Amino acid sequence: GEDVEQSLFLSVREGDSSVINCTYTDSSSTYLYWYKQEPGAGLQLLTYIFSNMDMKQDQRLTVLLNKKDKHLSLRIADTQTGDSAIYFCAASETSYDKVIFGPGTSLSVIP
Amino acid sequence: EAGVAQSPRYKIIEKRQSVAFWCNPISGHATLYWYQQILGQGPKLLIQFQNNGVVDDSQLPKDRFSAERLKGVDSTLKIQPAKLEDSAVYLCASSLRRGPGGNEQFFGPGTRLTVL
Repeated sequence: GEDVEQSLFLSVREGDSSVINCTYTDSSSTYLYWYKQEPGAGLQLLTYIFSNMDMKQDQRLTVLLNKKDKHLSLRIADTQTGDSAIYFCAASETSYDKVIFGPGTSLSVIP
Repeated sequence: EAGVAQSPRYKIIEKRQSVAFWCNPISGHATLYWYQQILGQGPKLLIQFQNNGVVDDSQLPKDRFSAERLKGVDSTLKIQPAKLEDSAVYLCASSLRRGPGGNEQFFGPGTRLTVL
């Protein structure tokens, strides 16, 4: 089955860009998601990308997909202290299949 | 629009005791999920309902865990008897009937269970 991996920690200075990386194993995964989890809260969908796309931009967020290497990244421009959270990469084969989550990357933003 | 509601937010029990969690999804969402999130890990799907039918319960430890979704709305997840390794956050999520736009799930705040 699908396995999603992420680095566990990232620390950046306020105003810098953050890049969170993710790899997945199942080349059949069609939908790739980024969720954000703030302390004590549930997960919130930030953005998703279809496997036939290379890039998707949404305000400060840029998602890059390298389907050949099964590598996904989330770039946050002008990172703010409010961006401190855990970011989960997730994948599903179709919109009908269950979503497999990675372990999460804890982003710390230093003022 | 009200979000996914869960209760209780916290629960502490001793091993071998029973516990139940409640979830009220977003109105109109046909699909409901229960996840187990162990500290430092991503959410792991326990069970998925479509209306009041089970779609996937392949990772639900059926010897101790049970779940139901009455009338296709609220859901309860029960653990009986609890083990130490059940200590985790139990997340409930819901989504609209699945479609081409991907499977956007809306999560509740979770119930943090501690088993002593």
